[in-house]
Amino acid sequence: DAKTTQPPSMDCAEGRAANLPCNHSTISGNEYVYWYRQIHSQGPQYIIHGLKNNETNEMASLIITEDRKSSTLILPHATLRDTAVYYCALSGSARQLTFGSGTQLTVLP
Amino acid sequence: GAVVSQHPSRVICKSGTSVKIECRSLDFQATTMFWYRQFPKKSLMLMATSNEGSKATYEQGVEKDKFLINHASLTLSTLTVTSAHPEDSSFYICSARDPLAGQYFGPGTRLTVL
Repeated sequence: DAKTTQPPSMDCAEGRAANLPCNHSTISGNEYVYWYRQIHSQGPQYIIHGLKNNETNEMASLIITEDRKSSTLILPHATLRDTAVYYCALSGSARQLTFGSGTQLTVLP
Repeated sequence: GAVVSQHPSRVICKSGTSVKIECRSLDFQATTMFWYRQFPKKSLMLMATSNEGSKATYEQGVEKDKFLINHASLTLSTLTVTSAHPEDSSFYICSARDPLAGQYFGPGTRLTVL
């Protein structure tokens, strides 16, 4: 069974907020939620991570539900360069990452 | 953020040959590095966890004799694909864990086996 599930694709208008959901209903108490993005044929780029509190950095915000069964990555003002595949991943006890299938975000002009 | 490099970025080899891929953490020491494989239009799949000074831990279904991992120093892990076959053609990506900052990925190595 997949540990995380994400919609396969989403569109967003340039300048608007992009909200990318991730379901992780079987998450364990010590697993962190990580978000990465990947542009074709490049390595994943770290965006943000969190355990149970909401987090914000210069790239994005991460909202984790109180029961930790889902989370949302928010890109506050999407640009064309934010077009990429966005992965939600869980970090295990050995800190290995288990990736979901990813969401292809397309930012439209 | 932290920088992780991989070499080579792409390699083409003949079936039956072995290929070595290097992964380096450039500005931090990593006791743990990870190797992933990604097929076209698919997600990253963890192959193995590379531990400095000890044996790697392989995921179920990954042949340890085919994918040799060596983590000889705190900044270098290598993955050797032995006796490569066309089905081993893939995008191989390493990551290194910075204990203070998180986990960072290399740019990946595109392996094509003819």
